[in-house]
Amino acid sequence: QLQLQESGPGLVKPSETLSLTCTVSGGSVSSSSFYWGWIRQPPGKGLEWIGSIYYSVFYSGSPYSNPSLKSRVTVSVDTSKDQFSLKLSSVTAADTAVYFCARQRVYCSSTSCYGGDFDFWGQGTLVTVSS
Amino acid sequence: SYELTQPPSVSVSPGQTARITCSGDALSKQFAYWYQQKPGQAPVLLISKDTERPSGIPERFSGSSSGTTVTLTISGVQAEDEADYYCQSADSSATHSYVFGTGTTVTV
Repeated sequence: QLQLQESGPGLVKPSETLSLTCTVSGGSVSSSSFYWGWIRQPPGKGLEWIGSIYYSVFYSGSPYSNPSLKSRVTVSVDTSKDQFSLKLSSVTAADTAVYFCARQRVYCSSTSCYGGDFDFWGQGTLVTVSS
Repeated sequence: SYELTQPPSVSVSPGQTARITCSGDALSKQFAYWYQQKPGQAPVLLISKDTERPSGIPERFSGSSSGTTVTLTISGVQAEDEADYYCQSADSSATHSYVFGTGTTVTV
């Protein structure tokens, strides 16, 4: 059974960079059938997609990110460890949230492929931004 | 930015039917997906590609689509269905950009 587990600091200071890693077990981040994504949820609020990454032997990792966060987000993948990571720079209190990693299924038409639903999720990790 | 709009809350009696709508301009061209989230837990995928129910999801959960609105229907609501529900889709105006709905709290 596929499992995802987030890890990283639970407290980050304002203006610093939030760094999280998701470890995948029971599956491989190298699979071409899936993207690997990050979603967050501020306390008492809704879900927000942060970014996803797609691994291909032709171009390593191809990342996509939320346009509202794009300049601050870096998503990368490490196939040797079956991990993918999130870096969010210049954090503020508004970035305080539970951060989830998840597997995103890829669907393809005759002309292109795109990300679909998130079918497996990690348990989530709370990251607080505070001095 | 692209938005998916849901009603904030739905209240339903046990055994009755709950319907949750999700509206967005691109839903006539993009698939929608539905998730259930209980307090302190990660979301669980309930419906894929507008109407498909993944293995293990009870039959009382169903999805439908009409124009720019998709609907999650819970038939014969049970107490355990009390949770937050989110739709999700793709932003057709931005390549590889995904968005969640505003969320609906179902109270049984």
